[in-house]
Amino acid sequence: GAVVSQHPSWVICKSGTSVKIECRSLDFQATTMFWYRQFPKQSLMLMATSNEGSKATYEQGVEKDKFLINHASLTLSTLTVTSAHPEDSSFYICSARDFEVNTEAFFGQGTRLTVV
Amino acid sequence: DAKTTQPTSMDCAEGRAANLPCNHSTISGNEYVYWYRQIHSQGPQYIIHGLKNNETNEMASLIITEDRKSSTLILPHATLRDTAVYYCIVGGGGSNYKLTFGKGTLLTVNP
Repeated sequence: GAVVSQHPSWVICKSGTSVKIECRSLDFQATTMFWYRQFPKQSLMLMATSNEGSKATYEQGVEKDKFLINHASLTLSTLTVTSAHPEDSSFYICSARDFEVNTEAFFGQGTRLTVV
Repeated sequence: DAKTTQPTSMDCAEGRAANLPCNHSTISGNEYVYWYRQIHSQGPQYIIHGLKNNETNEMASLIITEDRKSSTLILPHATLRDTAVYYCIVGGGGSNYKLTFGKGTLLTVNP
């Protein structure tokens, strides 16, 4: 399958700071990228969907000013957690898809964020 | 998106076939059935998907009932590394598409 790479794999930051997570599609052009969050022992929860060059569409209850998503190119999307708090500690996972070629989406390896 | 129902957990002996069921009785005509799995602390891994016909790839087989209201993922020879949470998801294949995850099935492959 296609490869989606996330960076970093894990990050620890201080409360009040911002953290940026990158998601890259390595061998295909991602017309659409998705960002998920997963708390321990829970399923993945979709946060937002972004199409290249367009503003992200956020799911209900997700603060768009806190979770900034940029999808400036067909191979890169970034999620910035602004003014992070301990309750933002979670496993963040991105997914990418080229809807013109494939119906399936492929996932990154995830980023473990710990806010202290 | 249509919702799915999966058993919470299943066990399988190593080397035997693992059959994971999924009910999706409200699936729409243009919605696909996708299967992903997630090994602890990793991102989900794509396994297989189908629309109407049964599908097979190097990882698994997908059997979809004729009325499309249920499906079964088959891992023909389960190994210990197949222990994971398996998610059955239904969704459209077009541009207006998103994958909504349920709770999935925890498959434990025992030696």
